[in-house]
Order: sequence, then C-alpha cells, then structure tokens
Amino acid sequence: GAGVSQSPRYKVAKRGQDVALRCDPISGHVSLFWYQQALGQGPEFLTYFQNEAQLDKSGLPSDRFFAERPEGSVSTLKIQRTQQEDSAVYLCASSLGPGTYNEQFFGPGTRLTVL
Amino acid sequence: SQQGEEDPQALSIQEGENATMNCSYKTSINNLQWYRQNSGRGLVHLILIRSNEREKHSGRLRVTLDTSKKSSSLLITASRAADTASYFCATLSAPKIIFGKGTRLHILP
Repeated sequence: GAGVSQSPRYKVAKRGQDVALRCDPISGHVSLFWYQQALGQGPEFLTYFQNEAQLDKSGLPSDRFFAERPEGSVSTLKIQRTQQEDSAVYLCASSLGPGTYNEQFFGPGTRLTVL
Repeated sequence: SQQGEEDPQALSIQEGENATMNCSYKTSINNLQWYRQNSGRGLVHLILIRSNEREKHSGRLRVTLDTSKKSSSLLITASRAADTASYFCATLSAPKIIFGKGTRLHILP
C-alpha cells in the first residue's frame, strides 16, 4: 500500500515568498504530524492534528507558519514571507490512532531552500 | 528542543564490523525508539524498547536501555553497505516524538 507522500519534494523560494507544502497521509490514519529538520540535526516537532483538529501547534517557530487539515486527510503547511532560516527539510508523518504507542510513518520530506 | 544526545556524532567502520551508537536522554521515559534515515528510504522506525525492558533484539540490531543512567545503545552487527545512514534515538512526549541529533554511520567497502 502507499505510504505517506509529500509534494513538492524540492522547493526553492526567494526570501519573502510564501510557500505551501502538501502532505498525503496513509489512508485512514487519524493522526498527522509535521516536523522540521535542519541540516545535520534531528527532526523537530512543529504541529499535530487528530483528524481535522489541530491539537498542538507548540512547535511552530513563528506566526509565519500555518498548518491546516480541513477534511481530516490531506494537510498543508504554509510558510509566509520565507526567511533563510526556514531552509530545512519538512517531514510529515501519520499514525493510525491517537494513542501513545501508535507508530508514526514518515514521508520523504520536502527540502525547502530559501535564497 | 532535543531530548536525546547521540554519541558519536559520526562513525566510519569497515563492512562486516559491528557498529555501536549511544544515546543519553534527560527526562523520564515510557519508551525509547531508534530510527534510521537515508536518502533512499527516508526516516524509518527501527525498534522500540519500553522502560521496563533492558535489552531487545531485532535481526542484526540489539538495543539496550539503562534507565538509571538515562542511556541507550544501538548495536548493528555484521554491518553492510546498506546500513550507511543517520541513526536517531527518540523519546515520546505524547503524541510527538523528540529526536536526538543523530549519529552519521558510514560503512566502508
């Protein structure tokens, strides 16, 4: 079966541009996560959805970052007025349920480069 | 913030040798996980060890956990070229995962 997919895989933006990153989770997965991974670092949590509800957005670094999952499936992470420090790989993950021990399955990521 | 700290940051070994990576963490945990990340398959969950377990095996992987020292180790036996990747330990602060900075493992032919 299909895993988590993300698009685009690569994105180059000029500083100040807005970008939108898409995540298609595994069908039927209730939970969806976004992580940011800077070069040479581990992924860091950004935000979490349970179905369409955004239950935790504590990791979003600024109000320029916005995520949505309006129908409880596909999610979009939007970054407004991109800055060079936003350059990173953005990973999406989904899990079957909201429980503590549900394994998260990761997508291939979108590599964002801000010039 | 990152919970785990892997050691070493980078490791190069000959194919066939064993690779050992260590992880220290800061707070109490219910379980600890190890992940592998390479360009081919992305970030993949390898193994989970619960706080009441001391050792766990999966194929060529052996994970230990010492909750008194807040540390874990990952041993890969009989390494292969395909094991070249970054390895992360991670803890769960439900529902999010908190990753360490990773160990970059390179298997030399």
